Amino acid sequence: SQQGEEDPQALSIQEGENATMNCSYKTSINNLQWYRQNSGRGLVHLILIRSNEREKHSGRLRVTLDTSKKSSSLLITASRAADTASYFCATGTIQGAQKLVFGQGTRLTINP
Amino acid sequence: DTAVSQTPKYLVTQMGNDKSIKCEQNLGHDTMYWYKQDSKKFLKIMFSYNNKELIINETVPNRFSPKSPDKAHLNLHINSLELGDSAVYFCASSPMGLAGGGEQFFGPGTRLTVL
Repeated sequence: SQQGEEDPQALSIQEGENATMNCSYKTSINNLQWYRQNSGRGLVHLILIRSNEREKHSGRLRVTLDTSKKSSSLLITASRAADTASYFCATGTIQGAQKLVFGQGTRLTINP
Repeated sequence: DTAVSQTPKYLVTQMGNDKSIKCEQNLGHDTMYWYKQDSKKFLKIMFSYNNKELIINETVPNRFSPKSPDKAHLNLHINSLELGDSAVYFCASSPMGLAGGGEQFFGPGTRLTVL
């Protein structure tokens, strides 16, 4: 069954603005990851946050994790046209190997 | 110098046919995966192999058979293709092995269309 649910499903903002995407999940996790998918391409890993971490930064990306609320958010600051893509959260659990369960994604459009 | 490669990129075939998708990674990773992404962009894991051994099998119909000849390759063979098999199939690899917990590196995807 699908683990993560993302909100909003689509987001359209002006270049330079900040974009925030949210992800909620249902069960205990080992880590939570965010991926980007450009149209017609494979997924690219952006950032991983472990279950014992609350916040993580990578360049213009900021991820938070609240395990009590089973939710995470991805903030992209100072957005650029090149940030236009679909963004997926994925919850990681260990079942022999790491198993990632993906949300349905947020389609982000940055308008120049 | 592609990290995770898949062939073919596009595959169009008739219902009932058998087809294979190949995946290779040159990252030296121990763990490889197959995912299916449907028309609504929902991405779901199908299989995971660690060092040629099947670790995860997510209630996929047995028409789907993964094969790992070595840890750098994970191929997907599909028998008796059905319309519902139409999707984009992604291969991925991860360096973490059974310890898990790391990022996954995805291939460019294979768009399968069953007519």
